[in-house]
Amino acid sequence: QSALTQPASVSGSPGQSITISCTGTSSDVGNYNLVSWYQQHPGKAPKLMIYEVTKRPSGISNRFSGSKSGNTASLTISGLQADDEADYYCCSYAGSRCVVFGGGTKLTVL
Amino acid sequence: EVQLVESGGGLVQPGGSLRLSCAASGFSFSSYTINWVRQAPGKGLECVAVISGSGGTTYYADSVKGRFTISRDNSKNTLYLQMNSLRDEDTAVYYCAKDSWGFGSSGCFDPWGQGTLVTVSS
Repeated sequence: QSALTQPASVSGSPGQSITISCTGTSSDVGNYNLVSWYQQHPGKAPKLMIYEVTKRPSGISNRFSGSKSGNTASLTISGLQADDEADYYCCSYAGSRCVVFGGGTKLTVL
Repeated sequence: EVQLVESGGGLVQPGGSLRLSCAASGFSFSSYTINWVRQAPGKGLECVAVISGSGGTTYYADSVKGRFTISRDNSKNTLYLQMNSLRDEDTAVYYCAKDSWGFGSSGCFDPWGQGTLVTVSS
């Protein structure tokens, strides 16, 4: 099972919006509304930011939003803040097996 | 508070074995699938093993199939990962993560433990 495809890096200035894409196939992203996004700061465990494509867990800022079109899911962060600088991973259900993760995107806040 | 705490990591020689544990608290342990996810140094996340709440269904990544065994003791609220025939490429931080489902793996993992480092080297 191949990893989902994410850009290696994205950047933006404080207050701006950025979008991170996550491209899979019709066997994972395209076939299920079960895409999650994780934020990981250096040396820390991943933190759930978005699940089931668009849903935010309790306590997650509404600056984080998710969407999906076909085989590509996206994470948008609006009103960028310094603390948003981290690695972001997408993840998709892929049937009766281990889930598949994206390769990760490093977000730099300029 | 829902919490997962891993233990058992360390340095092991290639070909050796190690057993990781993940102690859970703050939720009905037997009702949820738990996943082991690893992260090699400087690399991304990889799901390596999944076990349903009852323990009756397991999944493995192809990279560890036949070498790793996931199990759970619901009476002790503890998850295990037995790792045999370890290779250099198994070096990683290993996380356990609670799924939102009780059967199968949804990809919605919350929370994660703090991770335990496994280093395979001679």
